[in-house]
Amino acid sequence: AQRVTQPEKLLSVFKGAPVELKCNYSYSGSPELFWYVQYSRQRLQLLLRHISRESIKGFTADLNKGETSFHLKKPFAQEEDSAMYYCALISGAGSYQLTFGKGTKLSVIP
Amino acid sequence: NAGVTQTPKFQVLKTGQSMTLQCAQDMNHEYMSWYRQDPGMGLRLIHYSVGAGITDQGEVPNGYNVSRSTTEDFPLRLLSAAPSQTSVYFCASRPDRGASQPQHFGDGTRLSIL
Repeated sequence: AQRVTQPEKLLSVFKGAPVELKCNYSYSGSPELFWYVQYSRQRLQLLLRHISRESIKGFTADLNKGETSFHLKKPFAQEEDSAMYYCALISGAGSYQLTFGKGTKLSVIP
Repeated sequence: NAGVTQTPKFQVLKTGQSMTLQCAQDMNHEYMSWYRQDPGMGLRLIHYSVGAGITDQGEVPNGYNVSRSTTEDFPLRLLSAAPSQTSVYFCASRPDRGASQPQHFGDGTRLSIL
């Protein structure tokens, strides 16, 4: 069974400090991994996906198959980054189910 | 495009009552799903559908029914509400079964069962 683990429920950092939100997954095949974000009073939205190898709002995430991790990073946190972040996994072609981690609440302190 | 629209936004029910949470999308997406969001639990999949007439169970289906008579609509029914079903419910859709397709979420329905 596939599983996504986000070990931190809450992460507080100062503005301008680096941010790393941890995500580890459990799946034996080649998964598709995503980061979703939910800002206060807004709907959940896609932040980035590993296949795109893109940087969105200064965030990047690298898939490490050896460590089964997909950590989300940003070199300098901004106040507007405060939100709930969810790591999610789809187990691959033909699969329909997106499995979410329990989420990490990021709080950026001014 | 309105995207994914959920109604109502808020609802309070008494134990044993029934209700239907509505979800509609105008993007002609094949795949639709329902999640519940609980503190410390993240989002858990309730039911999903890969197209009109096809539905299947997710991780936490008990107490919920769904149907998919059209591509656009995917209602979630609570037949006999229980306090354990107090949660925030999100409907989502994506174009097809493709694994890399991002999901589009609705604003959510906050449901309280007394």
